[in-house]
Amino acid sequence: QVHLVQSGAEVKKPGASVKVSCKASGYTFTTYYIHWVRQAPGQGLEYMGIISPSDGGTNYAQNFQGRVTMSRDTSTSTVYMELNSLRSEDTAVYYCARERADTLYFDYWGQGTLVTVSS
Amino acid sequence: EIVLTQSPGTLSLSPGERATLSCRASQGISSSHLTWYQQKPGQAPRLLIYGASSRATGIPDRFSGSGSGTGTDFILTISRLEPEDFAVYYCQQYGSSSYTFGQGTKLEIK
Repeated sequence: QVHLVQSGAEVKKPGASVKVSCKASGYTFTTYYIHWVRQAPGQGLEYMGIISPSDGGTNYAQNFQGRVTMSRDTSTSTVYMELNSLRSEDTAVYYCARERADTLYFDYWGQGTLVTVSS
Repeated sequence: EIVLTQSPGTLSLSPGERATLSCRASQGISSSHLTWYQQKPGQAPRLLIYGASSRATGIPDRFSGSGSGTGTDFILTISRLEPEDFAVYYCQQYGSSSYTFGQGTKLEIK
């Protein structure tokens, strides 16, 4: 069955970078987009952007442009999300989620990765 | 950017009752671009309804969504609440090459 398994929790200092991975299994990796969504403690969901595993094309939400980079490794069916210049407000659970091309909804989600930014 | 406003912020009901959750868009959106998710504490969101009214695989028929065409008002209805339905519900829309979420409605046991 479909699984999106994310890397473990991270603790980072302000100004540092974090790279979170999302390993897909149970389906053809290149036929589904992967999105990233984050959730600050006790808050709602915030959209970060999308990567197309087939060609590596990306589109980042305006709030994250210039600070986020999404990439993929087709040999391991893994997508990565790197966020730079971390600040305390970036403390959140980061989720990857799958979308079948152009359906505009996310049918499977990873378990989430807690990133804590603290000095 | 299209803003989604969900109401109420918190809804207190008892098992067996009917729940009506609202999602209002700041401008008209296509119903095909409106999605509902359920999130329980410590869990990732779960797809409930897509295209405003289509239930995702495995979602019980007590969950229904409404809102049609290009509009601003969308509703998620849970006809008879079960104990496992108490959670936070988010609507989501796609527009201008990006997605936005509502702030969520917390459905709590009365």
